[in-house]
Amino acid sequence: DIQMTQSPSSLSASVGDRVTITCRASQGISNYLAWFQQKPGKAPKSLIYAASSLQSGVPSKFSGSGSGTDFTLTISSLQPEDFATYYCQQYNSYPHSFGQGTKLEIK
Amino acid sequence: QVQLQESGPGLVKPSQTLSLTCTVSGGSISSGSYYWSWIRQPAGKGLEWIGRIYTSGSTNYNPSLKSRVTISVDTSKNQFSLKLSSVTAADTAVYYCASDPLEYWGQGTLVTVSS
Repeated sequence: DIQMTQSPSSLSASVGDRVTITCRASQGISNYLAWFQQKPGKAPKSLIYAASSLQSGVPSKFSGSGSGTDFTLTISSLQPEDFATYYCQQYNSYPHSFGQGTKLEIK
Repeated sequence: QVQLQESGPGLVKPSQTLSLTCTVSGGSISSGSYYWSWIRQPAGKGLEWIGRIYTSGSTNYNPSLKSRVTISVDTSKNQFSLKLSSVTAADTAVYYCASDPLEYWGQGTLVTVSS
């Protein structure tokens, strides 16, 4: 199985900040990587697919990059609604594993 | 806009079979545009991919659950289903159905395994 490791596990930031979350795969996954945002009590929301493609309706403040084993999600100009938990997921091979999550909190 | 809704018992006894159904609306499950997936999340923990099915009936399962999982599709009802056998307390979680790619998600349903 491919292990997905996110860093950091938690992150404190202020409104207006720019933050970057990293996701590392235990083996190469090309660009078969997605990012999700989850708020408490809600289903995850798709943000990015194919490592860097923005899902329809998702604001351009979210951006993704990477290929192979190392990937990043960058969120610019943080707003209160952006504070949530973020997950990466690889869909290169089965099982389609998720990272452990990064909780983004308000400083 | 595709919408998904999970349904099924919220309480299952240990050793019994958990059964959930996902009803798809706003699009045909037979369109061929998506696979259809199940994902679960224990309280306070991360997401676990359970498996997925294509409209043809072709399935892929998480090896950690494969011996206990069955995912099926009923195109006449625009539904797909999850069965998880021999459940224990470790199977207590919010269960989500979703399209695959994971663009559309159901709201999730909490299933508790307890006697």
